[in-house]
Amino acid sequence: DTGVSQDPRHKITKRGQNVTFRCDPISEHNRLYWYRQTLGQGPEFLTYFQNEAQLEKSRLLSDRFSAERPKGSFSTLEIQRTEQGDSAMYLCASSVGQGARGSNQPQHFGDGTRLSIL
Amino acid sequence: DAKTTQPTSMDCAEGRAANLPCNHSTISGNEYVYWYRQIHSQGPQYIIHGLKNNETNEMASLIITEDRKSSTLILPHATLRDTAVYYCIVIGIGTSYDKVIFGPGTSLSVIP
Repeated sequence: DTGVSQDPRHKITKRGQNVTFRCDPISEHNRLYWYRQTLGQGPEFLTYFQNEAQLEKSRLLSDRFSAERPKGSFSTLEIQRTEQGDSAMYLCASSVGQGARGSNQPQHFGDGTRLSIL
Repeated sequence: DAKTTQPTSMDCAEGRAANLPCNHSTISGNEYVYWYRQIHSQGPQYIIHGLKNNETNEMASLIITEDRKSSTLILPHATLRDTAVYYCIVIGIGTSYDKVIFGPGTSLSVIP
């Protein structure tokens, strides 16, 4: 079963360091989403791509966060100069999409990368 | 922008039906209701979605009221593996994902 794959599953780093996470979506899915989830809360939207185009970014996405999907397949999320508040689970999801926002197809999530900032 | 409200927690006896309610009184005409669940340390798992008609799949049934202001997810024969946090969200064609709010969901405990 080739679902959404995220790497690494866990990342521990010191405050101030940069980290990068990778997401491999379901192969036929052209939409890819990033979310952040803290303990006891539901996922919070960060950004999404349709193919290689980043179509929306959340107000939560500070300048220290950057996401790319250069070839419309896998995506990376980088956090620069990490802070204590960045500790969270980072989730990736993918879906089939048609047009800029013309799809009701559900998102399928990976199991996330848990980031801990020391 | 439709926000959903769900009970914080529910219990259900194993083998009985679990009925999880969700209110979405500000839902727009083109917004779908989606249900996901999340088991500890895993990502959310898609369950079912619908627009206005009731829907059923191998996992669950979704009952949407005629005015679309609320819905109920039904797990017909709950098992211990159904213990999870259940999220109800609404997304429509043209929705800004920044306005999609998962909220804390309903923590369902299936009791032996």
